[in-house]
Amino acid sequence: AQSVSQHNHHVILSEAASLELGCNYSYGGTVNLFWYVQYPGQHLQLLLKYFSGDPLVKGIKGFEAEFIKSKFSFNLRKPSVQWSDTAEYFCAASLLTGGFKTIFGAGTRLFVKA
Amino acid sequence: NAGVTQTPKFQVLKTGQSMTLQCAQDMNHNSMYWYRQDPGMGLRLIYYSASEGTTDKGEVPNGYNVSRLNKREFSLRLESAAPSQTSVYFCASSESRGPPYNEQFFGPGTRLTVL
Repeated sequence: AQSVSQHNHHVILSEAASLELGCNYSYGGTVNLFWYVQYPGQHLQLLLKYFSGDPLVKGIKGFEAEFIKSKFSFNLRKPSVQWSDTAEYFCAASLLTGGFKTIFGAGTRLFVKA
Repeated sequence: NAGVTQTPKFQVLKTGQSMTLQCAQDMNHNSMYWYRQDPGMGLRLIYYSASEGTTDKGEVPNGYNVSRLNKREFSLRLESAAPSQTSVYFCASSESRGPPYNEQFFGPGTRLTVL
C-alpha cells in the first residue's frame, strides 16, 4: 500500500540550528510532493511543493526541500530555524494515478527553543 | 476572501447523537475534501468530492456521510457518533483533483469530542 513516512515525530532545536526533516514515500509511479505546516492554533498551509523540474524547491520562510527520486525522499531543510518555526510539519504525496489520491505523513512536531 | 471556513470550531457530543459539520469555500474550487487528524496518524481522508454533484469514499468513510450541496459547500454528517470519532476534522479544497492544481487549502478545523 502507498504510504508516506516521516522519520521524526518530535524534534527540539535551539534557535539558529539547522533543520532537516525526513520524508519518504512508497509508490513507484509519478507523484507530486508537498510540505504543509500547521502553526499552533492555525490551520494547515502549504510550505512548498514539487511537481516537476528542478528537484530543489524553495518555499516560504526560507524553507527548501529536495526531491531525490532514487531514494523516494523529499526532505525539508532550513539552514537556521527561528522560534516562530515552532509548528507541526506534514509531508504529503499526491499520486498521479488512481484518482490523484493524496497521502499524508504522520507529522513532525518541531519545537524551537528561544 | 475568507478561503475555507468550517463550523462549528468545537463540539461535544454524547454517544449516539448526530451532527453535521459545515464547510464552505469561496475560491471557486471544484474539489473538496474531509479529513480527520488523530495524534501520530497524520491526516486521513474520509470523503471527497472531485466536482459538484459527485462524492467518493476515502480511507476511513465508515460512520460518516457527506453532501456536496453546491460548488461552495461540502458537509460531513455523523449519524450516530461514537467515541472513536473523537478527532479534529479538517475540510479542504483544491482547484481540481488532478495536477498541477492539487494543492489543497485547509479550513481551521473542528475539534469534536464524543463522550
